[in-house]
Amino acid sequence: NAGVTQTPKFRVLKTGQSMTLLCAQDMNHEYMYWYRQDPGMGLRLIHYSVGEGTTAKGEVPDGYNVSRLKKQNFLLGLESAAPSQTSVYFCASSLTAGVETQYFGPGTRLLVL
Amino acid sequence: SQKIEQNSEALNIQEGKTATLTCNYTNYSPAYLQWYRQDPGRGPVFLLLIRENEKEKRKERLKVTFDTTLKQSLFHITASQPADSATYLCALDEGTGFQKLVFGTGTRLLVSP
Repeated sequence: NAGVTQTPKFRVLKTGQSMTLLCAQDMNHEYMYWYRQDPGMGLRLIHYSVGEGTTAKGEVPDGYNVSRLKKQNFLLGLESAAPSQTSVYFCASSLTAGVETQYFGPGTRLLVL
Repeated sequence: SQKIEQNSEALNIQEGKTATLTCNYTNYSPAYLQWYRQDPGRGPVFLLLIRENEKEKRKERLKVTFDTTLKQSLFHITASQPADSATYLCALDEGTGFQKLVFGTGTRLLVSP
């Protein structure tokens, strides 16, 4: 079991460029999440998914889009990167709704110049 | 406004002592609260979960308390070791019925030999 994996690990973008972050989990979890973590701000929820084909907005969704075409994958897209999107991005998954542990990936460090 | 507060200053203790970390929240009514450990450059890892009707939960050297009247959770590590040095995050459910966690900013613990 690899758990939750994220690619890439690190990326540098120029303002206006686009990219997709990939998250994959092999635990057959229904719920998946994308967070960003910034110094002094803690983890903030960007988007989440309660199952294949469904997504919903979290606390800070502006500037991001997501897709969950397969149960095991959750993609985070930046259509036109801005310096304010420089952050560390974490993907997480949980088995179902309710009281469940979230399992996190190792993170993607993104720098937007 | 809704807030989760953890001490932003690092907690420095000596090996063998008990570390106590605090998580305070306002304007939430969580059904449960979770604690995670995060090492530098890695994703958070789940440690313990405590429900609103539980006063205390233990796991090996870890103990968590949850006081819904004070709106506070305390996280204790007894007989601390240098390997316990990490950032500890508290997270509580937003109360919407889904597994949406709201995270504190974390407290860094440094255990010196």
